[in-house]
Amino acid sequence: SQQGEEDPQALSIQEGENATMNCSYKTSINNLQWYRQNSGRGLVHLILIRSNEREKHSGRLRVTLDTSKKSSSLLITASRAADTASYFCATDGYSGYALNFGKGTSLLVTP
Amino acid sequence: SAVISQKPSRDICQRGTSLTIQCQVDSQVTMMFWYRQQPGQSLTLIATANQGSEATYESGFVIDKFPISRPNLTFSTLTVSNMSPEDSSIYLCSVEIFGRTSGGSETQYFGPGTRLLVL
Repeated sequence: SQQGEEDPQALSIQEGENATMNCSYKTSINNLQWYRQNSGRGLVHLILIRSNEREKHSGRLRVTLDTSKKSSSLLITASRAADTASYFCATDGYSGYALNFGKGTSLLVTP
Repeated sequence: SAVISQKPSRDICQRGTSLTIQCQVDSQVTMMFWYRQQPGQSLTLIATANQGSEATYESGFVIDKFPISRPNLTFSTLTVSNMSPEDSSIYLCSVEIFGRTSGGSETQYFGPGTRLLVL
């Protein structure tokens, strides 16, 4: 039941650079969440943005949401090697429904 | 956020056997979900488990293959039955936490996953 679609599929940058990942989805959403997964481990929740919000910040993370284009972006500023991971966007409709995950963006940050 | 633990963290099993994965949450939650992540893939929902009712399975997943228990509001198990190499995946449980940090919106938190290899 995948709905989100991230691009790029893979991204390689150097430490200190910014990383931008995009997510597109198909149907109306209640909110959109971004997760990080390190090397096949569990998912770490990064940020949730509601459908009536346009931008949200958390530390070095900035998420935008454009519901008219059905798209979201995740910006990681001043990246670090520890940011190396896969990043997934996930959408849901309403409470009680499972998340629909995109295929993820694999980010590699080199020293 | 919620603290979620899963047991085992990983296992190697022989085909034809079964494995039960446990998911424990540090607070009472209504909604729990089980996902599968095949190698190099995204997450696919297996079923939704609410306490006091039968689990609801997604298309392609059946109770005989993936029986789920939800005996109380902090615990659930997923069994992978009669395993084959195609069942080699990471299995993750998640819970929905309402409105703690998201201004009233639901946030889902995930356990660390169980990495299963079937030989």
